Formats: sequence, C-alpha cells, structure tokens
Amino acid sequence: DTGVSQNPRHKITKRGQNVTFRCDPISEHNRLYWYRQTLGQGPEFLTYFQNEAQLEKSRLLSDRFSAERPKGSFSTLEIQRTEQGDSAMYLCASSREGLTDTQYFGPGTRLTVL
Amino acid sequence: AQSVAQPEDQVNVAEGNPLTVKCTYSVSGNPYLFWYVQYPNRGLQFLLKYITGDNLVKGSYGFEAEFNKSQTSFHLKKPSALVSDSALYFCAVRDGPGGSYIPTFGRGTSLIVHP
Repeated sequence: DTGVSQNPRHKITKRGQNVTFRCDPISEHNRLYWYRQTLGQGPEFLTYFQNEAQLEKSRLLSDRFSAERPKGSFSTLEIQRTEQGDSAMYLCASSREGLTDTQYFGPGTRLTVL
Repeated sequence: AQSVAQPEDQVNVAEGNPLTVKCTYSVSGNPYLFWYVQYPNRGLQFLLKYITGDNLVKGSYGFEAEFNKSQTSFHLKKPSALVSDSALYFCAVRDGPGGSYIPTFGRGTSLIVHP
C-alpha cells in the first residue's frame, strides 16, 4: 500500500510567478483534499474532490488558486501570480468514501515565495 | 460549526514517564475525533480515531486516547514516553454521520521528551 505522494517536495519561486503542485492519492481512495499549513498552525482546509468533482472550496481559496482532478486520480493545485503570503506547506490528503473517511496525508510541498 | 482546542503549545516530559496531550472540541452533533503526529518537514501521520463505542481508543506506537463526552475532551496518552515521540501532535474533529467530511484541526502541541 503506497501512501499519498506529492511533488515537488520543495518549491522556491519569485513573487508573481505561477506554480503547480501535484498530488497522487492512495490508489483506492476516491476523496482528495488540499490543505495549507503555516508555521505554528494546524492544516487549514482549501478544497475537496470526490472522484473528479470539486465539491467544496474554502474561502481561503482565492481566485489565484485553482485545483483539478481530471480523471479522478491525481490532482494538481496551481497558484497564479504568487505572493509572499502564499509561502506555506501545502498538504494533500486522501480518503476512501465510507463511515469514517479517515484522511491520510502526503509529505507536503513547501512553497517559498521570494 | 465545529472547533477544536489544544490548550498547551508545548508539553515536556521525561523519557519513561507517562504523557498526556490535551484536546477539547465542539461540534453540533456526535463527534468523529482524530489524532495525528507530524515530524519536522513531513506530512501528518494518522495515530488513532474515535467514532463510536469504547471510550478508550488504542492507536499506533502505543498511543491511546480517551473520549469524554461530558467534558468534550479527547486527550492523547501514552504510559511511557520515548525520546522518539518528540513531535507535533494535532487533534482534529468533524461532525459525525451526515456532517461535513472536512475536519477542523487544532493548532498543535509540541511534545518534547527529554532523555
């Protein structure tokens, strides 16, 4: 059972550039979640997919952020025109639809915007 | 609305001593409760969960947690701490059946186990 994987693990970019992160969930999991985590905080929910449908988005997800899960497998999170405030750890989690929906997390992508 | 509080930013304990990391929650219905551990520059690892049934839940690495409905608490415990247990611990809650699939996480508690 391979876990959730995320790429890249680290990304350094200049303000104003676009970045894209990828998440590959556990293979039998149909639900996929994106979170943002800043220093000293717990994960904050960004968005959630069930299969290929994006079912919920947080108000944290500004119009510069977009997420896709085109075939219901891997997902991408794109940030356009990055700002220094976007610097954070971006976490992906997946779960299997069921009674408890326990989420399993990937290692995260650490974004630094200079 | 759902919320979770971890009242201690940091817990210090000597190796071999019992440890407790506190968590209290608020939900409108029956809670689903989770504990995760995070090591530096890593994602969160699932430790244990409470859904229903026995109030004492056993999880990975010798950790356990006790659900207390009257006190709305779900404290994480371990009888004998190891130096390798030093990490960030996050409590999370979400509404039970029919509720949101999105958990709310606490701010985390840094556990430091001294040799």
